Amino acid sequence: DSGVTQTPKHLITATGQRVTLRCSPRSGDLSVYWYQQSLDQGLQFLIQYYNGEERAKGNILERFSAQQFPDLHSELNLSSLELGDSALYFCASSLEGQGNTGELFFGEGSRLTVL
Amino acid sequence: AQKITQTQPGMFVQEKEAVTLDCTYDTSDPSYGLFWYKQPSSGEMIFLIYQGSYDQQNATEGRYSLNFQKARKSANLVISASQLGDSAMYFCAMKHNYGQNFVFGPGTRLSVLP
Repeated sequence: DSGVTQTPKHLITATGQRVTLRCSPRSGDLSVYWYQQSLDQGLQFLIQYYNGEERAKGNILERFSAQQFPDLHSELNLSSLELGDSALYFCASSLEGQGNTGELFFGEGSRLTVL
Repeated sequence: AQKITQTQPGMFVQEKEAVTLDCTYDTSDPSYGLFWYKQPSSGEMIFLIYQGSYDQQNATEGRYSLNFQKARKSANLVISASQLGDSAMYFCAMKHNYGQNFVFGPGTRLSVLP
């Protein structure tokens, strides 16, 4: 158990709909990352938050948005869903700072299927 | 910009033998960390091993070791005495020590044969 919690684990929805994926980082971790993994593909970096502030942005579509709340949990909002958005969405957290290796601890992922 | 290359889409190894998974990276920053993750068919991402750019010795964690050649910008993962449970996707990743992004390579699918 990595200590990172993602909900829901599975989600099936229709094209054009909107969904919200939720992530609770490990206790004490200030940094949250979101990644998208399509079938048999690598991990595409979407966005990173650190202590409530957006820190880095990757290949995140304009239809997608995210935020990190004061209690450090994060949400990824996906709207106007398309078939190609079907993927495994990972949240990962990290303890950054002096003396830490900064490895990412991953949640189990949220598998989104768009029909 | 950071870039990770894993040139082996798939690898096969006989059980109990050693296998090396290749990883090369591109960066102009002297301060960074290299990571390997395992993703079994169940989907979770499992951290395996870490190597810092200033570390003098190659990292080891049980049956995993990292063959770090800084001048060649390579960080190959060596798995000794392969087990059937080692069959999985393996991802190499890099993060600059003072940067934000955590970049992953495309992965190598390892299959361990009985």
